[in-house]
Amino acid sequence: AQSVTQLDSQVPVFEEAPVELRCNYSSSVSVYLFWYVQYPNQGLQLLLKYLSGSTLVKGINGFEAEFNKSQTSFHLRKPSVHISDTAEYFCAVSRKNDYKLSFGAGTTVTVRA
Amino acid sequence: GAVVSQHPSWVICKSGTSVKIECRSLDFQATTMFWYRQFPKQSLMLMATSNEGSKATYEQGVEKDKFLINHASLTLSTLTVTSAHPEDSSFYICSARFGLAGGPSSNEQFFGPGTRLTVL
Repeated sequence: AQSVTQLDSQVPVFEEAPVELRCNYSSSVSVYLFWYVQYPNQGLQLLLKYLSGSTLVKGINGFEAEFNKSQTSFHLRKPSVHISDTAEYFCAVSRKNDYKLSFGAGTTVTVRA
Repeated sequence: GAVVSQHPSWVICKSGTSVKIECRSLDFQATTMFWYRQFPKQSLMLMATSNEGSKATYEQGVEKDKFLINHASLTLSTLTVTSAHPEDSSFYICSARFGLAGGPSSNEQFFGPGTRLTVL
């Protein structure tokens, strides 16, 4: 079985400052890695995903993440946040054979002016 | 592309009644759909995997007689919460994975907007 740990439950950040959301995972098999964003009372929107290849993945809205196999991490970053980035962020992994997603507990990002 | 809808977006029902939630892939065919449950300020928990034309696979601890799942077509899966009780109140989210039997498939799930269920 795989598991996901998001190391920060809440991250307050000022507008235009950088932000990093940390995610570590454990799995006995190869996995795909994802970051999703959820706005209040809405479903999930995919920010980016790592399937294979380059370990630096660029996503929507200026987000990027880096896959580090040795540290089993997939941290999400954005160099300059906006108020509109205030949301809940979920890291998730899925096994390559059944595509079931396991989610981390989520990180609440609050951007302040 | 890859839009998933859910209906209704919110529902309030009395204890003991049954509620049906629909999940539709609007512009693609989905051989596999997933149902999740999310409690306030918590993560998503996978309830079951729904495959078109076959019985759903439930995760450990999820009552299959309580949460009936039907995946009758490549674009529609339904979740029926039977004899609902207040503890069933939650945010239910579905997702769909693009794929055709014997053909190309997607490793990504596309999520619906969720259904807020409140049982009085």
